[in-house]
Amino acid sequence: DAGITQSPRYKITETGRQVTLMCHQTWSHSYMFWYRQDLGHGLRLIYYSAAADITDKGEVPDGYVVSRSKTENFPLTLESATRSQTSVYFCASSRSRQETQYFGPGTRLLVL
Amino acid sequence: DQQVKQNSPSLSVQEGRISILNCDYTNSMFDYFLWYKKYPAEGPTFLISISSIKDKNEDGRFTVFLNKSAKHLSLHIVPSQPGDSAVYFCAARAMEYGNKLVFGAGTILRVKS
Repeated sequence: DAGITQSPRYKITETGRQVTLMCHQTWSHSYMFWYRQDLGHGLRLIYYSAAADITDKGEVPDGYVVSRSKTENFPLTLESATRSQTSVYFCASSRSRQETQYFGPGTRLLVL
Repeated sequence: DQQVKQNSPSLSVQEGRISILNCDYTNSMFDYFLWYKKYPAEGPTFLISISSIKDKNEDGRFTVFLNKSAKHLSLHIVPSQPGDSAVYFCAARAMEYGNKLVFGAGTILRVKS
């Protein structure tokens, strides 16, 4: 039972490069979410998706792009990485709008 | 403007004693509250939740109390164990905002043996 996985777990990139973080879940959950965790801020929602081909912005969407062509995958793309996007990124999923969100192990991203 | 606040960045407790983690919120529309626990290099894991129609929810050693008038909730861990050492995040959501969670900044709990 793989649950929810993220790749890569660690990534170093340079300012201006495009980076894609992957998220895959095996539960067929309808909802998927991307958060970033920064010291002093807890977790902040970047984007979320209610189903395949349905996405919406969260609290901090600027500089990020998402897509969801398949229910099980929810990639997050930084189109032109900036140092302020250095963070730990967590993907989460839930079966329905009201149910508990389950988190992946996170991707630690460093933008130089 | 942080809608969910955890004002204690860290807490240190002796094994066997009670740990009390606090959380305050400002948005009166929040109707459901959760606590997540996070170990280093892992994702947050759901611990316990409470609906705004209740004032207490208990699950084993973990109890969450909600005081709606004060917009305050707390997580009690009794007795505390060294394995409870982790970061604890308080989160809240409002029905009309869907399932979007708003998290506090977290409290680092250290349980000393």
